[in-house]
Amino acid sequence: GENVEQHPSTLSVQEGDSAVIKCTYSDSASNYFPWYKQELGKRPQLIIDIRSNVGEKKDQRIAVTLNKTAKHFSLHITETQPEDSAVYFCAAGSGGSYIPTFGRGTSLIVHP
Amino acid sequence: EAGVTQSPTHLIKTRGQQATLRCSPISGHTSVYWYQQALGLGLQFLLWYDEGEERNRGNFPPRFSGRQFPNYSSELNVNALELEDSALYLCASSFGSFSGANVLTFGAGSRLTVL
Repeated sequence: GENVEQHPSTLSVQEGDSAVIKCTYSDSASNYFPWYKQELGKRPQLIIDIRSNVGEKKDQRIAVTLNKTAKHFSLHITETQPEDSAVYFCAAGSGGSYIPTFGRGTSLIVHP
Repeated sequence: EAGVTQSPTHLIKTRGQQATLRCSPISGHTSVYWYQQALGLGLQFLLWYDEGEERNRGNFPPRFSGRQFPNYSSELNVNALELEDSALYLCASSFGSFSGANVLTFGAGSRLTVL
């Protein structure tokens, strides 16, 4: 089955800095890579996703890049703000019998 | 439109008891996923239901079971509770997954504490 590794487990940045979270996956058949944000005490919410036919996707301050050859994908947050503080989860999966496998999460702390 | 709803919000049980957790998916969604979120372990896949059938289960013992009803709501049962079952149990729903990868929408979760 799929295995997703996520790094770092904790990331501390100053407000205005950029943050990068990296994930690797094992199953070359995976073709869908969502990212979820989970604020303290809240449910995970999808913030951005990318499919294997695209190398990069942006949405305002958030971007995701995908390298299918190396089997890794990354979340980039620019101009971080305190409200970006949360746990971020990456996931990987494929169509057909779709069961996303999640990474262990990255706790992002943005200091004002 | 109502989101994914879960009940109860919190549940306290003792070792050996049984727990039942419930989930109502978003209207139109036929797939329901259950995940366990224990501290520091991320989201561990438990069960997947689609169109009333169990389609897959994760690496959990048989005392974790569930079902999906004709209205696509679902329940998760955990028998013979152990201390390590204490966790947040998240339910997510999506459109039928056999058509391809779909966005999962999560509920707020049920916090199970086993004493």
